[in-house]
Amino acid sequence: SQQGEEDPQALSIQEGENATMNCSYKTSINNLQWYRQNSGRGLVHLILIRSNEREKHSGRLRVTLDTSKKSSSLLITASRAADTASYFCATDQRGFQKLVFGTGTRLLVSP
Amino acid sequence: NAGVTQTPKFQVLKTGQSMTLQCAQDMNHNSMYWYRQDPGMGLRLIYYSASEGTTDKGEVPNGYNVSRLNKREFSLRLESAAPSQTSVYFCASSSTGYNQPQHFGDGTRLSIL
Repeated sequence: SQQGEEDPQALSIQEGENATMNCSYKTSINNLQWYRQNSGRGLVHLILIRSNEREKHSGRLRVTLDTSKKSSSLLITASRAADTASYFCATDQRGFQKLVFGTGTRLLVSP
Repeated sequence: NAGVTQTPKFQVLKTGQSMTLQCAQDMNHNSMYWYRQDPGMGLRLIYYSASEGTTDKGEVPNGYNVSRLNKREFSLRLESAAPSQTSVYFCASSSTGYNQPQHFGDGTRLSIL
């Protein structure tokens, strides 16, 4: 069963705009991770946020975590065409790295 | 710096045939994983290996077997392929311990007719 549900399923923006993706999950977690998948490629790890953290930054990425609402968001600032990809959240319930992935958000950034 | 290498990249099988998907990592990781990805869905864990010599079932293990050949290699076997196993299969690896990211290969695209 899928732990995470992502919203929106698809997002289309112009270069320079910000992109926000949301992830909701069902059970308590040890950490939540975001991955990017370019078409025809494997997943690439973007950022990990622990259950006791509320916000984390990495370059143009900002991730928030609200454990009371069981939700997370990924913000990509100043989007580029190269950011076009699918983005997945994944939850690690017990810290044993048995990740449960969401269904993903397809992001299209147009020049 | 290869990371996680999967072979083959593409394969077409007939129902009932057997097949082994190969995965090797060169990052000295203890943990390795096999996932499948179906259209419109996220990845689902088939099997994982926390360390050399150990394997355990994930969410969707039926119809699959795995072998952790050594620290570098983790193979996935379909003994009698079924059309429902048509999917993209990803192998991943990670360091041991909490809060470790996983590193993925580029996948094997498997079609079963």
